[in-house]
Amino acid sequence: DVKVTQSSRYLVKRTGEKVFLECVQDMDHENMFWYRQDPGLGLRLIYFSYDVKMKEKGDIPEGYSVSREKKERFSLILESASTNQTSMYLCASSLPRGFSYEQYFGPGTRLTVT
Amino acid sequence: KQEVTQIPAALSVPEGENLVLNCSFTDSAIYNLQWFRQDPGKGLTSLLLIQSSQREQTSGRLNASLDKSSGRSTLYIAASQPGDSATYLCAVTGANSKLTFGKGITLSVRP
Repeated sequence: DVKVTQSSRYLVKRTGEKVFLECVQDMDHENMFWYRQDPGLGLRLIYFSYDVKMKEKGDIPEGYSVSREKKERFSLILESASTNQTSMYLCASSLPRGFSYEQYFGPGTRLTVT
Repeated sequence: KQEVTQIPAALSVPEGENLVLNCSFTDSAIYNLQWFRQDPGKGLTSLLLIQSSQREQTSGRLNASLDKSSGRSTLYIAASQPGDSATYLCAVTGANSKLTFGKGITLSVRP
């Protein structure tokens, strides 16, 4: 079974703090994704990566950066957390183009910025 | 830009009923379509994946169909149970491997 894990289920941070959200997958997937989910807005793609050290902006990259130094790990960084970044953050992984492209999700991190 | 719509936003049915959840998308150039289930406060669980060349997929009491030309998919749940209560999301994968999600249908199955 594919397993995607996220470092924290719940996180509370203060405005202005630098925040790291970690995601690890154990299926040797090339593609990894970060989404945020908000009531009424649904899931929105922040960033994705199709290979180590490669990244592409999603629909809402402002205020975020990412790091992928190893294939299995994809980190989301909030350089200076703000209250409007309070949200549920979901990580996912998938095989690359030419395969099934089925995305597997982690359990999510609920981040509260006060 | 791809848009995915799921209507209605919420549905309440009595236990045992067969039901259909609808999903529509605006751009038919998709790679696949996935149906997910999400329980409150949890991550997404993949239920069914339909490749663009397929018409349907089945898993247990679930059957998903895809009509790419009309931009529609349906998720059929047979003999619904209270344990089926959750939010069901539809998502399509474009050529760039990005998923575009609908906002989901929150299903409540009454005992």
